[in-house]
Amino acid sequence: DAKTTQPPSMDCAEGRAANLPCNHSTISGNEYVYWYRQIHSQGPQYIIHGLKNNETNEMASLIITEDRKSSTLILPHATLRDTAVYYCIVPSGGSNYKLTFGKGTLLTVNP
Amino acid sequence: DADVTQTPRNRITKTGKRIMLECSQTKGHDRMYWYRQDPGLGLQLIYYSFDVKDINKGEISDGYSVSRQAQAKFSLSLESAIPNQTALYFCATSSGELGGGYTFGSGTRLTVV
Repeated sequence: DAKTTQPPSMDCAEGRAANLPCNHSTISGNEYVYWYRQIHSQGPQYIIHGLKNNETNEMASLIITEDRKSSTLILPHATLRDTAVYYCIVPSGGSNYKLTFGKGTLLTVNP
Repeated sequence: DADVTQTPRNRITKTGKRIMLECSQTKGHDRMYWYRQDPGLGLQLIYYSFDVKDINKGEISDGYSVSRQAQAKFSLSLESAIPNQTALYFCATSSGELGGGYTFGSGTRLTVV
């Protein structure tokens, strides 16, 4: 798996955008970037994934740099319920990939 | 009903006892996984199965065994539980499609005393 680097923690004010960075400078050309989150001891929840282009869904947006060495997960209007550990994962293995979780970023949304 | 159901949700067992954690999924996916999470750490892969006849060890399989009874069912056993197996255990399933996500269960909190 490509090594990913995330800040251990971040704070965000409720209603503001939360921008969570991830560095994955060793990513290979066909490896996807996945984002998951884990709300206190619950099962991890899939958020979004991308390969080259920016992606958006109902939960978040994913911005991947042109060189693909870093990405940013954007929660456009953070709520208190978005407080969670966010994991950026770049698995190898093609369609046989297995998710490997690091320590992620603890995002705390403050009122 | 949840897509991935784990039973029990909580369990306290004694050292040396055999215990089985069960997982079932309604996603219709072939692939299933068992993960373990220790406090303050990320998830570690214990075992995974890409179809009913395929079982593979993950990063930390020692002390664990699994059984894939059907496409929808994947059980994790601790043959002789020890205190350092106290952890949160998660089951997951995926379609295997490139770019497809994993769906996780709500977890089993296991305490070995």
